[in-house]
Amino acid sequence: DAGVTQSPTHLIKTRGQQVTLRCSPKSGHDTVSWYQQALGQGPQFIFQYYEEEERQRGNFPDRFSGHQFPNYSSELNVNALLLGDSALYLCASSFSSGYYNEQFFGPGTRLTVL
Amino acid sequence: GQNIDQPTEMTATEGAIVQINCTYQTSGFNGLFWYQQHAGEAPTFLSYNVLDGLEEKGRFSSFLSRSKGYSYLLLKELQMKDSASYLCAVSDSNYQLIWGAGTKLIIKP
Repeated sequence: DAGVTQSPTHLIKTRGQQVTLRCSPKSGHDTVSWYQQALGQGPQFIFQYYEEEERQRGNFPDRFSGHQFPNYSSELNVNALLLGDSALYLCASSFSSGYYNEQFFGPGTRLTVL
Repeated sequence: GQNIDQPTEMTATEGAIVQINCTYQTSGFNGLFWYQQHAGEAPTFLSYNVLDGLEEKGRFSSFLSRSKGYSYLLLKELQMKDSASYLCAVSDSNYQLIWGAGTKLIIKP
């Protein structure tokens, strides 16, 4: 049973560029959450997708957008990249009807903005 | 505002016991999670508490007091592989996870 997968593993971009990160949830999961984790910090919630709709959103600007596909996989798009966007981007999947919605994390995408 | 506090770093000796504390102030409460994160890796689930009391799972135990906004993670018989960051996260009224900055645990032989 494959867990949560993310691609790419690492990415280097320059300021002003756009980036798309991808996530495939654990089998049987229908909800995908995205987090940004700066070095030495805890994850910061970006948004959550369920049934192809953005269900919740954290305190991130509109430059951060996402999408969920019918197969529950998801994309995170970031436009007009800033140096401060350099971080580990984590995708977590869960089952909406689970007892406590335990989130399973993917390995993350390390984004470096130069 | 919402806030999760945990110590930045702790050091313990192999074979010993360590307690990592977490205090929280959130809008609503739907449970508290502990995750372990090794450097450069994704967080992995350790425990979940929604009712007051102690949950034991092998060498790891987690305690919750909702009235005090307090939890701790207890690690027994420490092993070198337990060196990692330990993240406390609270599920708020919208079931959104609010995360602490993590406690880096260093195990010495």
